[in-house]
Amino acid sequence: QVQLVQSGAEVKKPGSSVRVSCKASGGTFFSFSVHWVRQAPGQGLEWMGGIIPFSVTTDYARRFQGRLTLSADDSSATAYMDLSSLRSEDTAVYYCARGVPFAYSGNYYFDYWGQGSLVTVSS
Amino acid sequence: ENVLTQSPDTLSLSPGERATLFCRASQSVSSDYLAWFQQKPGQAPRLLIIGTSSRATGIPDRFSGSGSGTDFTLTISRLEPVDFAVYYCQQYGSSPYTFGQGTKLEIK
Repeated sequence: QVQLVQSGAEVKKPGSSVRVSCKASGGTFFSFSVHWVRQAPGQGLEWMGGIIPFSVTTDYARRFQGRLTLSADDSSATAYMDLSSLRSEDTAVYYCARGVPFAYSGNYYFDYWGQGSLVTVSS
Repeated sequence: ENVLTQSPDTLSLSPGERATLFCRASQSVSSDYLAWFQQKPGQAPRLLIIGTSSRATGIPDRFSGSGSGTDFTLTISRLEPVDFAVYYCQQYGSSPYTFGQGTKLEIK
């Protein structure tokens, strides 16, 4: 049974940075991608970016480029999301999700999700 | 960016009824790359459908997906109480991967 377990809630000041971790168990971490999706309070889902740990290839949504860094540690099967220059609009639940290639394509669907990590940005 | 627009925003139905949810893309999506998710309050999204019409593991057959090009549909044949939730479509055919704004399925 694949499980993604994320780090706990964080409260951050505007202008600071946050790191959220996502530890995988029960499956092969190396063969898949890890994506990050956020959800502001009462709002919908927003894809932020993804990383393929095997090749250390990353793909970021344009609106986060320059502020978002995704990384992964194969030895501990853990992915990390670092978001800098935080502002109040970054208050959201951040989810990691396992990306599975669809039929050997370079396109990934999200089958397993972490439980979510609430990041609150407030002065 | 491929913008997905879902309709209706809210759908009020009773258990046992049929639900039809729509998702329209601003650009054509390969049928291989359209997914549907269900989300309940306080929970992570749950994958229902991939490749427009293939149910994910463990998803009951009352859920079905169809469509092509820019228009896609999620149908729940006979609603059960556990089905009342918010549903999102998502395209994973081109970056950025985008989600629709969601349809809230509520009990009438």
